Amino acid sequence: GAGVSQSPRYKVAKRGQDVALRCDPISGHVSLFWYQQALGQGPEFLTYFQNEAQLDKSGLPSDRFFAERPEGSVSTLKIQRTQQEDSAVYLCASSPADGGRTQYFGPGTRLLVL
Amino acid sequence: AQKITQTQPGMFVQEKEAVTLDCTYDTSDQSYGLFWYKQPSSGEMIFLIYQGSYDEQNATEGRYSLNFQKARKSANLVISASQLGDSAMYFCAMRGPYNTDKLIFGTGTRLQVFP
Repeated sequence: GAGVSQSPRYKVAKRGQDVALRCDPISGHVSLFWYQQALGQGPEFLTYFQNEAQLDKSGLPSDRFFAERPEGSVSTLKIQRTQQEDSAVYLCASSPADGGRTQYFGPGTRLLVL
Repeated sequence: AQKITQTQPGMFVQEKEAVTLDCTYDTSDQSYGLFWYKQPSSGEMIFLIYQGSYDEQNATEGRYSLNFQKARKSANLVISASQLGDSAMYFCAMRGPYNTDKLIFGTGTRLQVFP
């Protein structure tokens, strides 16, 4: 079956540009998570949705970061006025409502801000 | 606050041998979950194994087993009969209680399997 997909896989942005990263979770998965992974580090939590409700956004590093999941399926992470420190891999994960809450990850979007 | 510690930046193992990757955790919660993920150079995080804090038996999934020692707060991953394709980064992660589904990750261990 189809796993979590993310697009684009790679994104190069000039400092100050806005970017939008898309995540398509596994069909039927209720929960969706965004993580940021800097080079050589483990992923760090950004935000979490249950259906369309954003239940936790405590990990978003600044008000330049915004995430939405308007219909409870596809999610978009938007970064406004990108800075060089935003360069990282952005990972999306989804999990079902039951059957354990294992998170299944997508391939990530590698963002490079020049 | 919850924390995951992986003290081995890199490990080497010969093909067909077993290897143990260390993970210790810190939490004041009674209910939590522990995970191991594999991240090959392609970047995708691949789920390997899960251990719940109330599970009495150590989790096993094929060649992967989790050596869970609750009193010592350790959750080491054991990979038996290593294969060249096991070369990757390995991350230990913890999930909090039901009202906190986010995962806290360690810094990872890079495993290299040689012939």
